[in-house]
Amino acid sequence: NAGVTQTPKFQVLKTGQSMTLQCAQDMNHEYMSWYRQDPGMGLRLIHYSVGAGITDQGEVPNGYNVSRSTTEDFPLRLLSAAPSQTSVYFCASSGGGIYNEQFFGPGTRLTVL
Amino acid sequence: GQQVMQIPQYQHVQEGEDFTTYCNSSTTLSNIQWYKQRPGGHPVFLIQLVKSGEVKKQKRLTFQFGEAKKNSSLHITATQTTDVGTYFCAGPGLTGGGNKLTFGTGTQLKVEL
Repeated sequence: NAGVTQTPKFQVLKTGQSMTLQCAQDMNHEYMSWYRQDPGMGLRLIHYSVGAGITDQGEVPNGYNVSRSTTEDFPLRLLSAAPSQTSVYFCASSGGGIYNEQFFGPGTRLTVL
Repeated sequence: GQQVMQIPQYQHVQEGEDFTTYCNSSTTLSNIQWYKQRPGGHPVFLIQLVKSGEVKKQKRLTFQFGEAKKNSSLHITATQTTDVGTYFCAGPGLTGGGNKLTFGTGTQLKVEL
């Protein structure tokens, strides 16, 4: 199993550009989440999904869109990149139930100029 | 909204010294999870505590869940250089079920020889 994969690993954008961060998991997990990590602020939830076709907002959703057309994939779209979106983005999945360990991908380091 | 705070934010220790990080939630938690993130890496699940007053050990690591289920601690005995990293606690959010986690701000541990 590859676990949770993310692409790209690094990306530089100019202000106003759009892009999609890819996330895929091969563990048949129902739950998937996107987090951003900024220095001194821990991990903040952007959007999450409890299954294919179902998504909801997290703590910091503005400027981001998600969709969940399949169980495996959960892409994150930046509509119009801003310097405030410079961050490290992590995708995670979990199987649900009482013990809901989250499996994280390797992350995407995004810089917006 | 729910807040999860951790103290201290940073900790430098000499190898062989003990280390403790504390996690406090503004709301009662159904369970709490702990993650470790090595420098440049992604968060990796360590453990989940569910019961009030629960104590679990993993070799030199001892995890405790408070009686009121609003706080938790991680204690490392005789630190080693392999313990370097940032330790996060995380608890379920008020909505979205147990897979929508609110992460603490993290404690960064540095171990000097």
